[in-house]
Amino acid sequence: GQSLEQPSEVTAVEGAIVQINCTYQTSGFYGLSWYQQHDGGAPTFLSYNALDGLEETGRFSSFLSRSDSYGYLLLQELQMKDSASYFCAVRNRDDKIIFGKGTRLHILP
Amino acid sequence: EPEVTQTPSHQVTQMGQEVILRCVPISNHLYFYWYRQILGQKVEFLVSFYNNEISEKSEIFDDQFSVERPDGSNFTLKIRSTKLEDSAMYFCASKRGSDSEKLFFGSGTQLSVL
Repeated sequence: GQSLEQPSEVTAVEGAIVQINCTYQTSGFYGLSWYQQHDGGAPTFLSYNALDGLEETGRFSSFLSRSDSYGYLLLQELQMKDSASYFCAVRNRDDKIIFGKGTRLHILP
Repeated sequence: EPEVTQTPSHQVTQMGQEVILRCVPISNHLYFYWYRQILGQKVEFLVSFYNNEISEKSEIFDDQFSVERPDGSNFTLKIRSTKLEDSAMYFCASKRGSDSEKLFFGSGTQLSVL
């Protein structure tokens, strides 16, 4: 089987940095993705890691350690608009992408 | 940016009725998916579709579910006899190819089974 674990909720202050962790168990691992979902909206793609290390896209970075089956999403210079749910997702075949349960990010002014 | 479009945005049906949810994936994409999400919960994989056939399906996707790409542009999900627990937001998604990691999601169809 496969499973992804991430915290259900995280709270941070506007302007700060927050890290959302994800651990996974899966077979045939190809890579780890992150998606953002605002209330009432569709998931939108943020980043993807296939290899170990850090990928940076503006204020968002994502990290992967394949040996630890672990990754994280790092959000810097938090803005109120970053309040959303964040899902890690595992690609383990060409055409199957499984999502975690999501982390609700609350941002305080 | 190109979009995945889904219709209708809301669908209300009686238990036991058939529903068809419609999606138009991005035109040059080759892989198509259906996911569902019960309010506030995880995005659950239902099925993936490539080269005019199902490539993967989850345990949720039982005999009551079917998918079809009838005309080269539309991608439909049919639920033959809806149950109360089928109430959820259903998302269609597509991606360009096997070398692409980015899923593009439609805005979803909220299905309510009464």
